[in-house]
Amino acid sequence: QVQLVESGGGLVKPGGSLRLSCAVSGFTFSDYYMSWIRQAPGKGLEWISYISTTGETIYYADSVKGRFTISRDNAKNSLYLQMNSLRAEDTAVYYCARARDIVVVDPPDYWGQGTLVTVSS
Amino acid sequence: DIVMTQSPDSLAVSLGERATINCKSSQSVLYSSNNKNYLAWYQQKPGQPPKLLIYWASTRESGVPDRFSGSGSGTDFTLTISSLQAEDVAVYYCQQYYTTYTFGQGTKLEIK
Repeated sequence: QVQLVESGGGLVKPGGSLRLSCAVSGFTFSDYYMSWIRQAPGKGLEWISYISTTGETIYYADSVKGRFTISRDNAKNSLYLQMNSLRAEDTAVYYCARARDIVVVDPPDYWGQGTLVTVSS
Repeated sequence: DIVMTQSPDSLAVSLGERATINCKSSQSVLYSSNNKNYLAWYQQKPGQPPKLLIYWASTRESGVPDRFSGSGSGTDFTLTISSLQAEDVAVYYCQQYYTTYTFGQGTKLEIK
């Protein structure tokens, strides 16, 4: 069955860095666009970034552009999010998610359970 | 960026009654070349990730009960639950995927 498991969250000071990982199984990872989407405590969903199947096409939300970097390793079935210059407003549960159909930017159909990132001094 | 605005922010409906949630986009999400609306609906229950209910504005995801339906085109969309069940209590989000992704602010659905 399809599984997405995020890791790497935790408590970090403002200005610090974290690297999130998402390990996937149960499908051909290299066929799908992948996204990171976050949710601040008690708030709504905010798309952060997505990456194409080969990594050639990447988009970021303005709120993280220049600070976050998405990447993938198709050989390791893994998605990553390098987060630098973290701010208090980056505090959220971070989800990785798979696009519904292959090779296109469809809405996500499978999501991980999320990993909590807390930015606080 | 396309802004998605949902209404109402919260809604209380009696069991067995119809629930209707609206979603408006700041620009059309209808792609003329394929006549598809790049609009999805999600359900999120506490402590869980979102669940995809509907895509292309009106196509139900596999396994989603047929009491859930989506309609609309261009900039105005609706999610309808025809007969509310207790397990439908959740927050519902619309999402456009015409240009990157944007989510609505969410609508909290409760039992009256």
